[in-house]
Amino acid sequence: EAGVTQFPSHSVIEKGQTVTLRCDPISGHDNLYWYRRVMGKEIKFLLHFVKESKQDESGMPNNRFLAERTGGTYSTLKVQPAELEDSGVYFCASSQGAVVETQYFGPGTRLLVL
Amino acid sequence: AQSVTQLDSHVSVSEGTPVLLRCNYSSSYSPSLFWYVQHPNKGLQLLLKYTSAATLVKGINGFEAEFKKSETSFHLTKPSAHMSDAAEYFCVVSPFQDTGRRALTFGSGTRLQVQP
Repeated sequence: EAGVTQFPSHSVIEKGQTVTLRCDPISGHDNLYWYRRVMGKEIKFLLHFVKESKQDESGMPNNRFLAERTGGTYSTLKVQPAELEDSGVYFCASSQGAVVETQYFGPGTRLLVL
Repeated sequence: AQSVTQLDSHVSVSEGTPVLLRCNYSSSYSPSLFWYVQHPNKGLQLLLKYTSAATLVKGINGFEAEFKKSETSFHLTKPSAHMSDAAEYFCVVSPFQDTGRRALTFGSGTRLQVQP
């Protein structure tokens, strides 16, 4: 069974540009999550989808971040315009949504904003 | 509110010696607790999880953790370190059983170094 995949693995962009990150969850997982770790900080929750609906977006830092999950399959996270402080590793995870669940993480996208 | 504190940012052990990575949590309810590991340039991998069943939880690669409610601790141990254990380890708590939210709270991570 394929795990959670993320694309690209690395991205280097200039301040003010736009970047779109993609996450493909494990097949059959209705729950999809985005987390990020900025330099020297803890891994922080960004948002949670159940199928195509945003269940919890309390961790989204500001309106420069837009997450979508069209059709309830893969998800994209767009940062527009990117700022220096957006640099970090963006992780995607998915789960089946059982009562006590395990979230399975992808390898992350390493974003560097110059 | 819940929180997780990993007491050591770096731990160095010799190969073949025991590993102890410390984690304390704060929660107003009976939490679900996890340990994840991240090897260099890899994703986060689940080592083990505690879900209010047995307090001693066995995970992959010989790791185990003991839930101690009286001490609010969930320390990770391994009897004998291997070079391949060198990685960063995260203690994680889930709020789901109390709030219905699924956003995980991560500790700051402990980087384990294994010396030959």
